[in-house]
Amino acid sequence: KAGVTQTPRYLIKTRGQQVTLSCSPISGHRSVSWYQQTPGQGLQFLFEYFSETQRNKGNFPGRFSGRQFSNSRSEMNVSTLELGDSALYLCASSLGGQGLGYGYTFGSGTRLTVV
Amino acid sequence: DAKTTQPNSMESNEEEPVHLPCNHSTISGTDYIHWYRQLPSQGPEYVIHGLTSNVNNRMASLAIAEDRKSSTLILHRATLRDAAVYYCILRGEPNTGNQFYFGTGTSLTVIP
Repeated sequence: KAGVTQTPRYLIKTRGQQVTLSCSPISGHRSVSWYQQTPGQGLQFLFEYFSETQRNKGNFPGRFSGRQFSNSRSEMNVSTLELGDSALYLCASSLGGQGLGYGYTFGSGTRLTVV
Repeated sequence: DAKTTQPNSMESNEEEPVHLPCNHSTISGTDYIHWYRQLPSQGPEYVIHGLTSNVNNRMASLAIAEDRKSSTLILHRATLRDAAVYYCILRGEPNTGNQFYFGTGTSLTVIP
């Protein structure tokens, strides 16, 4: 079956612009979470969505936002881009639900470069 | 936030077992212990997870201490393809702050 698909794979934006990244989870998975990975900070949790509701949020400024659609696809948006937002953005999906006993499948990520 | 502590790096000879330790002294009763690994230029890959009992799958085994304050990922026969950064993560109840905290992980080098 198809894995987690993230688009685009690479993106170059100018400081001050905004960007939207997309994530299509594995079919049947209802939980989608987002992470930022940089050489200096490692992997950091951004937020998690389940059934179109944000149920967990990391310590990122309000410029970072997300949403989930009824088909479980998710988007994350970063407004007023800063140079420090350059990173690999990873999406992961899971069956979700109230139980936590599910593993997560990660996509290959979107490499964002802010210039 | 519940966090984990792992050694920065470890080495193993090919075809020998590898034991990757993880400390999670602040784990709560409902936190699951997850392990993921990440190869260069790829997203993390699920390895195994458990709650209280030891777990086995085709990739690895997970040994969980009786007090759950530590765990060990066991790769039974390391191969060159197992060279990666291994992350031990706690997964807790939503809205408790116990979301995935990856830490720095353990970089495993497999020596041919």
